[in-house]
Amino acid sequence: DTAVSQTPKYLVTQMGNDKSIKCEQNLGHDTMYWYKQDSKKFLKIMFSYNNKELIINETVPNRFSPKSPDKAHLNLHINSLELGDSAVYFCASSQRDPAIYNEQFFGPGTRLTVL
Amino acid sequence: GQSLEQPSEVTAVEGAIVQINCTYQTSGFYGLSWYQQHDGGAPTFLSYNALDGLEETGRFSSFLSRSDSYGYLLLQELQMKDSASYFCGKAAGNKLTFGGGTRVLVKP
Repeated sequence: DTAVSQTPKYLVTQMGNDKSIKCEQNLGHDTMYWYKQDSKKFLKIMFSYNNKELIINETVPNRFSPKSPDKAHLNLHINSLELGDSAVYFCASSQRDPAIYNEQFFGPGTRLTVL
Repeated sequence: GQSLEQPSEVTAVEGAIVQINCTYQTSGFYGLSWYQQHDGGAPTFLSYNALDGLEETGRFSSFLSRSDSYGYLLLQELQMKDSASYFCGKAAGNKLTFGGGTRVLVKP
């Protein structure tokens, strides 16, 4: 059984387009995250949601809009895609308890290529 | 700040021991995590230290010294499958901030 799943796995698109990435977790976790990993492998948090509520927004351009319809889903919509948005985007989830939230479960990633 | 420093690359032979150091800035520090990521794969959790000392999980151990703002991941009895990138992550402010990753290359 897949714990954290993302779709699509690969996304190739033109500059200026709008695209969405979907994420679902079946672990019963309260908190979900979006991370961006660039070509140099730097892994940086973008957003964090707890029970559908946004709790972290790390100075991400407002072209990026996360949406959490329920605590098991966290989607990422990107408007007006730019070349610099090319990266691997990881969804992750964890328990809310600070003593154990450090253990995060990552999805397989979505490789976004903007041409 | 939130930056963490770790070496960019380490090469070792099968059966050897590798230590990956990680230094961090103390603001809001709660604990230090370690994740492994194979090429093309997702990061997977290895260990977490909130208190000073050594945590051992099989061939991998993690150490933390809060007074020195320093931790390390120790990989023992290296195997080819341990070739991967290893990230330290600082837990603070309800989030993890990761270092740049250390690429470990295991040679036969």
